[in-house]
Amino acid sequence: DAMVIQNPRYQVTQFGKPVTLSCSQTLNHNVMYWYQQKSSQAPKLLFHYYDKDFNNEADTPDNFQSRRPNTSFCFLDIRSPGLGDAAMYLCATSRDPPGETGSYEQYFGPGTRLTVT
Amino acid sequence: QQPVQSPQAVILREGEDAVINCSSSKALYSVHWYRQKHGEAPVFLMILLKGGEQKGHEKISASFNEKKQQSSLYLTASQLSYSGTYFCGTARTDKLIFGTGTRLQVFP
Repeated sequence: DAMVIQNPRYQVTQFGKPVTLSCSQTLNHNVMYWYQQKSSQAPKLLFHYYDKDFNNEADTPDNFQSRRPNTSFCFLDIRSPGLGDAAMYLCATSRDPPGETGSYEQYFGPGTRLTVT
Repeated sequence: QQPVQSPQAVILREGEDAVINCSSSKALYSVHWYRQKHGEAPVFLMILLKGGEQKGHEKISASFNEKKQQSSLYLTASQLSYSGTYFCGTARTDKLIFGTGTRLQVFP
């Protein structure tokens, strides 16, 4: 089945120790999104790629970086995790951006729960 | 800018109905609805587009009022499996902005 896969599902890192989360998709979608979700809150968009074009949200900390080496893979790098970065990180894909028709749904991976000690 | 959902939480008995509302301060191109069960990823339910077109879940209905910049999700004859947090998402050119969320609990 076509799907969005995230690894690892659970990640424990130390304060200040760089960590990389990965996402892969077999849907051949053009757009890949990274969201941060904290308990009882809505997913918060960090950045997204439309093909190779990178789009960073204005309030995403510089501590967060992303790479998309090819259509299938996307990585989230947290350079120096702080205690406030502990959260669920969700990767999602869509065939194309919503656009003015808004007609493309997003498919989410299972998420990576990050703990910072 | 984040859409506001109401109510924040709903508790139902199996078989009861519920309405979840989503209100935006900005003009809407479309509204997406997702359900997220505890500890899981959000799952797409449906999209409502300008002009009345809908795409998505067969057993869930929704409305989209472009003028009022609102959408409502109608859950009828609720089942235990409907429990979770519901998010609306309003589409911008290149992304979705998720609403504040509504937590729904269905009990036997």
